[in-house]
Amino acid sequence: EAAVTQSPRNKVAVTGGKVTLSCNQTNNHNNMYWYRQDTGHGLRLIHYSYGAGSTEKGDIPDGYKASRPSQENFSLILELATPSQTSVYFCASGGTKNTLYFGAGTRLSVL
Amino acid sequence: QQKVQQSPESLIVPEGGMASLNCTSSDRNVDYFWWYRQHSGKSPKMLMSIFSNGEKEEGRFTVHLNKASLHTSLHIRDSQPSDSALYLCAASGSNYNVLYFGSGTKLTVEP
Repeated sequence: EAAVTQSPRNKVAVTGGKVTLSCNQTNNHNNMYWYRQDTGHGLRLIHYSYGAGSTEKGDIPDGYKASRPSQENFSLILELATPSQTSVYFCASGGTKNTLYFGAGTRLSVL
Repeated sequence: QQKVQQSPESLIVPEGGMASLNCTSSDRNVDYFWWYRQHSGKSPKMLMSIFSNGEKEEGRFTVHLNKASLHTSLHIRDSQPSDSALYLCAASGSNYNVLYFGSGTKLTVEP
């Protein structure tokens, strides 16, 4: 099965601090995605990428940056973390017929 | 406003019963639908996809799609306690590479 690995799995950050969430996929998929999941909102798309060097804005990009330095790696960066960014973040890669393969998730708490 | 709406928010069915979940898009550009299942504390995994009008069956799971009304439904027959999970509907439209998710239906199958 397709493999997507996220790190860290849990993170506690301070308000105003910088947070970087990392994602690595070994599937050689072109497309990668960052979603956040909050109760009552399902999965909301933050940023996505079509390949190395490409980043695109999703539905809720404000306060987030993304970086895709290689086919395998896709990072989500919170330059100035706020408590409203406390959430569970999922990275995914897109396979055949755009089936998404999700990582295990990162639980982020911003205090 | 979310592009994908799911109902009901939660559903309880007895073991062996039929579970029926609904999903509608408010975006006329939507063309493709997926159903994902997420067990508690885990990441979402694709259950079924449907791209054409009609019905698709895989084991105990059946998906219907009516493109004219932008409505899809998932039916689970002979429900098992292991089917208890959050079921997420996803859709994409003019940009096939971008999936939008609904808020989900929480299914509980009681023994």
